[in-house]
Amino acid sequence: KNEVEQSPQNLTAQEGEFITINCSYSVGISALHWLQQHPGGGIVSLFMLSSGKKKHGRLIATINIQEKHSSLHITASHPRDSAVYICAVRNTDKLIFGTGTRLQVFP
Amino acid sequence: ETGVTQTPRHLVMGMTNKKSLKCEQHLGHNAMYWYKQSAKKPLELMFVYNFKEQTENNSVPSRFSPECPNSSHLFLHLHTLQPEDSALYLCASSQAETLVSYEQYFGPGTRLTVT
Repeated sequence: KNEVEQSPQNLTAQEGEFITINCSYSVGISALHWLQQHPGGGIVSLFMLSSGKKKHGRLIATINIQEKHSSLHITASHPRDSAVYICAVRNTDKLIFGTGTRLQVFP
Repeated sequence: ETGVTQTPRHLVMGMTNKKSLKCEQHLGHNAMYWYKQSAKKPLELMFVYNFKEQTENNSVPSRFSPECPNSSHLFLHLHTLQPEDSALYLCASSQAETLVSYEQYFGPGTRLTVT
């Protein structure tokens, strides 16, 4: 079992839908990252958080340290949100990555 | 040029070839990383350089040889690779590789195919 599990693995949505991607982890962490990887391969860091909630535009990330769980929400989804979303946790000096959630948003 | 750049973006090489991947960061960071991303697998950390010193080598085969001549440049030298080494190789940088959580900035990756 991976130390970082994401669900779902694949997700399709209609434009405008509210989307939730989940991440659960089994190790102690100092921070959790949400990353976005577009089809070309480049990765962009969306959030780094260690408690509570962060918001950036239509994206919201939450973390519950006690439950070892984080969610990434996308409001009013758009086709340009189509990408792979990767959760990564920082354990001591290492980043441990999930396998990603592939999101496709259709017009 | 800003951010983290990688060249080439695509590379096809035979098993007997020698090639190098290049990464350059223009962010003033002191730590640089090589990652491997294979299909349907999580990102795998290969090497970490902190202030030009290699601080991590995650049991990577010797056919991958990193080089960090200064804090802005990182190379991955490849020789006698195997077809299973075909993957996306990503470079990243951060302020420093310490216990404090610094955000990593990724390059666009090099898509490597070994034939």
